[in-house]
Amino acid sequence: EPEVTQTPSHQVTQMGQEVILRCVPISNHLYFYWYRQILGQKVEFLVSFYNNEISEKSEIFDDQFSVERPDGSNFTLKIRSTKLEDSAMYFCASRPPGQYIYGYTFGSGTRLTVV
Amino acid sequence: DQQVKQNSPSLSVQEGRISILNCDYTNSMFDYFLWYKKYPAEGPTFLISISSIKDKNEDGRFTVFLNKSAKHLSLHIVPSQPGDSAVYFCAASEGWGFGNVLHCGSGTQVIVLP
Repeated sequence: EPEVTQTPSHQVTQMGQEVILRCVPISNHLYFYWYRQILGQKVEFLVSFYNNEISEKSEIFDDQFSVERPDGSNFTLKIRSTKLEDSAMYFCASRPPGQYIYGYTFGSGTRLTVV
Repeated sequence: DQQVKQNSPSLSVQEGRISILNCDYTNSMFDYFLWYKKYPAEGPTFLISISSIKDKNEDGRFTVFLNKSAKHLSLHIVPSQPGDSAVYFCAASEGWGFGNVLHCGSGTQVIVLP
């Protein structure tokens, strides 16, 4: 079964450093998302991406965040200057066009720890 | 974002019995609802969905019920199996366009007892 692949599975970084989280969505999917889950809290929407553009973004997705699909397969989330409160599990997701009945496919996540 | 609420943080059920998970929402514009299952250290796995034009959708052991007037949905798992032990969260979306946003509940931990 096709998967959404995320790397690395765990990233530790110092506060103020830049991090790039990588995702390879399912190849025939057209819509891409980043969500995050702070430990003990709910899964929260960050950003959606379609046709090489951001479609929607949440309040969390401020100027420190950016997304890119540089080569038609990878989908990256960059945090320019990490803060302690950015520590969370970050999930990439993708979905095909059309039917809601297939939902989203999530990756297994990247655990980001900012120290 | 408290638009989707799961008020039961955990649920224990005997193997073979029914698990009933509940979810409430406040935004009357939500028209697509999904349930996901999540094991520790893994990403959420899509289980089942329903649109607002239906009140029930069934897929194997999983049935989702939607009560639009009460802004309430539930997931029934029958019969419950040990492998069902996981966190389940419901999610809702306003529309299903390319930018759609999933608003997620906080999850219910299901423990299936042998």
